Amino acid sequence: EAGVTQFPSHSVIEKGQTVTLRCDPISGHDNLYWYRRVMGKEIKFLLHFVKESKQDESGMPNNRFLAERTGGTYSTLKVQPAELEDSGVYFCASSLDLAGVYEQYFGPGTRLTVT
Amino acid sequence: AQKVTQAQTEISVVEKEDVTLDCVYETRDTTYYLFWYKQPPSGELVFLIRRNSFDEQNEISGRYSWNFQKSTSSFNFTITASQVVDSAVYFCALSERETSGSRLTFGEGTQLTVNP
Repeated sequence: EAGVTQFPSHSVIEKGQTVTLRCDPISGHDNLYWYRRVMGKEIKFLLHFVKESKQDESGMPNNRFLAERTGGTYSTLKVQPAELEDSGVYFCASSLDLAGVYEQYFGPGTRLTVT
Repeated sequence: AQKVTQAQTEISVVEKEDVTLDCVYETRDTTYYLFWYKQPPSGELVFLIRRNSFDEQNEISGRYSWNFQKSTSSFNFTITASQVVDSAVYFCALSERETSGSRLTFGEGTQLTVNP
């Protein structure tokens, strides 16, 4: 069974440019999460999808970040325009339904560098 | 508000030593879940264990063991007879079922280096 995949693995962009990160969850996982780790700090929650709906987007830092999950499959996270403080590692995770509390399986992350 | 503290930023041991990684959490919920994840140099986060707040039994899995104590709000992780392959960043995380749904609150991680 394929795990969570993320693309690209690395992205280097200039301040003011746009970047789109993609996440493909494990097949059959309705729940999809985005997290990021900035400057070696703790990993922080960004948002949570249940299928195609945003369940919780309380962690999104500002309106420069836009997440979508069309059709309830893969998800994209767009940063527009990127700022220096957006640099970090962006992780995607997926899990089964919420009837129980299931462990979240993480992808390898996308390392974003804004110069 | 929920919080996870991993006071040890870095730990360095010699192979075959035992090592304990500390995790202290704060929560107002009565139902919550605790997790440990491992991040090897390759970068992905690998799930190690999930514990719910109603189960304080300690758990052992091979060289790994976990000690959950609600009285001290701690969920410590011990590696017995450490190996070089255990070198990684280890994260403790908390999920509060009632107040914050299923999202994870992470500690800052502990970098473990096991030297040959």
